[in-house]
Amino acid sequence: EVQLVESGGGLVQPGRSLKLSCAASGFTFSNYYMAWVRQAPTKGLEWVAYISTGGGSTYYRDSVKGRFTISRDNAKSTLYLQMDSLRSEDTATYYCTTGADWFAYWGQGTLVTVSS
Amino acid sequence: DIRMTQSPASLSASLGETVNIECLASEDIYSDLAWYQQKPGKSPQLLIYNANSLQNGVPSRFSGSGSGTQYSLKINSLQSEDVATYFCQQYNNYPFTFGSGTKLEIK
Repeated sequence: EVQLVESGGGLVQPGRSLKLSCAASGFTFSNYYMAWVRQAPTKGLEWVAYISTGGGSTYYRDSVKGRFTISRDNAKSTLYLQMDSLRSEDTATYYCTTGADWFAYWGQGTLVTVSS
Repeated sequence: DIRMTQSPASLSASLGETVNIECLASEDIYSDLAWYQQKPGKSPQLLIYNANSLQNGVPSRFSGSGSGTQYSLKINSLQSEDVATYFCQQYNNYPFTFGSGTKLEIK
């Protein structure tokens, strides 16, 4: 059974950093493109970033480019999102997902709240 | 960015009815479209990809259609467990974008 378990969310002040992790199991992690998708409270879904199977290719939405870094450790079957210079508009539940196009599997999400 | 306009924003239908949810892309997305179901307090679940391909394990009462800029999700024989918010998503161009969602309730 495919499982994606996010962790690392919490309350953080504007301008500070946070690193999210996503532990994957039940599938061959290294064979899958991975992505982060976020959802602000009571809002819709917003794609954040993606990473290729080997990690050599990444892509970000403009609003997080230069502040967020997506990475992966295939030996540990873990996906990461380093978030720096956080802003109030980054407040959302962050989901780890599989896929380069459509997103077949999703974690339960981890809530990031940016507030002073 | 490609804008995905979803309609209606909310929908109330009776058990056993057929419902349709529409998604209009601001440009041709060549059937690079997925549909998701998100139940309250849960993560989204993939229903349809490539506009009309049913994801494994999804009931056959769900179907997708469309091309170019216009797409739709059809739910036949509405059941109580279909209460959820439904989102479309284009993956033809970065950044991938989602529709604003359709909240489906039972009348």
